[in-house]
Amino acid sequence: SQQGEEDPQALSIQEGENATMNCSYKTSINNLQWYRQNSGRGLVHLILIRSNEREKHSGRLRVTLDTSKKSSSLLITASRAADTASYFCATEAAGNKLTFGGGTRVLVKP
Amino acid sequence: EPEVTQTPSHQVTQMGQEVILRCVPISNHLYFYWYRQILGQKVEFLVSFYNNEISEKSEIFDDQFSVERPDGSNFTLKIRSTKLEDSAMYFCASSEILGTGYTFGSGTRLTVV
Repeated sequence: SQQGEEDPQALSIQEGENATMNCSYKTSINNLQWYRQNSGRGLVHLILIRSNEREKHSGRLRVTLDTSKKSSSLLITASRAADTASYFCATEAAGNKLTFGGGTRVLVKP
Repeated sequence: EPEVTQTPSHQVTQMGQEVILRCVPISNHLYFYWYRQILGQKVEFLVSFYNNEISEKSEIFDDQFSVERPDGSNFTLKIRSTKLEDSAMYFCASSEILGTGYTFGSGTRLTVV
C-alpha cells in the first residue's frame, strides 16, 4: 500500500455509535495528521500527533499512533449525523509537505 | 477563527487557456502550499512556498505551473496552458510554524473543457 492508506474505505454507523478508522504508512514520519472533508468542501484539520506521541484526544476524537507498526487510528465517539464526511490521514516527513491517504467515507445515520 | 480564502470557488476554462487561482492565507502564516484533488482521487501536494521562493515542488508541478506572492496578502497559482487533466479541486493551505498543522481553504474547482 502507499504512504497513508485508510481502512476501511467506507463506514456506515448509527448516530451514537463509535466510528474507528485506521491509517497505515510506509516511511518514517515527523507527525501524522487527520483531516475531515465534507462533500465537495475544503479540508478541516482535526488533530496532529507527533512521532514521539502515542495517543491524543480532542473532544470526541481520539487518535493513536504506533510507529513500530507504522499505523494510526482515529476514533470518533458518540457519533452525530454532522460527523458524516470523509476522513483523511496525512503524514508529514522531512520536508514540509503532507502525503494524504485515500480517505474513509463515514456515514452516520440518524 | 482565521481562514484561508480562495477565489473563485469554481472556474470553467477552455483547454489551452491560462488560469490564475487566488488565495489569501492567514495573515501571520509564513508557509504556503498548493494541493490538488482530482475527483475520486487522493489529495496531492503540488508546491510549498516560503520566504518568497519555492521550497519544494512535486513532479506534477511542471513548467506549466507557477506560484507568486505578488503582495503581502495574496498567493496565486497560475496554470499557463490548461489541459483536460488539470481539472481538479485546488486547495491552498498555510501554516504558521512547521509541524503544527495546516489551515486549508475551501478550494477552487477547476473544470477544463
